[in-house]
Amino acid sequence: KAGVTQTPRYLIKTRGQQVTLSCSPISGHRSVSWYQQTPGQGLQFLFEYFSETQRNKGNFPGRFSGRQFSNSRSEMNVSTLELGDSALYLCASSSSGQITDTQYFGPGTRLTVL
Amino acid sequence: AQTVTQSQPEMSVQEAETVTLSCTYDTSENNYYLFWYKQPPSRQMILVIRQEAYKQQNATENRFSVNFQKAAKSFSLKISDSQLGDTAMYFCAFMNPNTGNQFYFGTGTSLTVIP
Repeated sequence: KAGVTQTPRYLIKTRGQQVTLSCSPISGHRSVSWYQQTPGQGLQFLFEYFSETQRNKGNFPGRFSGRQFSNSRSEMNVSTLELGDSALYLCASSSSGQITDTQYFGPGTRLTVL
Repeated sequence: AQTVTQSQPEMSVQEAETVTLSCTYDTSENNYYLFWYKQPPSRQMILVIRQEAYKQQNATENRFSVNFQKAAKSFSLKISDSQLGDTAMYFCAFMNPNTGNQFYFGTGTSLTVIP
């Protein structure tokens, strides 16, 4: 099976712009979670989607949003970008989102905000 | 609130030697799961090992084993016979069924295996 893929791998934006990141889970996986990784804050949970519904949400402002499509692919959108949004954004997929499932991470999208 | 602490930002070990990475956590829950994830320089996180809190037996996966001390809220990772490919960031993570399917990660330990 192909692993979790994320596109694009690298992205450069300027303050005030918006950005959309994409995550394709492993075939058959229905749960997709997103994490932000920064040197200062480490890995922080953004949200989880399961069967096109947001099931869980972390403590991020409303500028961060996401969605999931019927094929389980997920997108994450950040509006009105700030310098502090520069980070590696990771997504992880699992088959049913149960705690006993193994979560598989993608390679990440490196977002730089200038 | 759940917090995970990794007090060793960087560690190094000679190839073929054994190294132990520390992790402590804080929770009021009784049922939870603990994980060690590895993030090599290529950036893709890989599950190393997992431990269910209700299981007293320490988990092992080949050269990787954990020392799970529930009362002390400690979850250390031991890597035996270290290999160059073990060079990576190692993250300790906590998951609690009551807060959904989300990880609480520590800040990571950068491990370098020296040839």
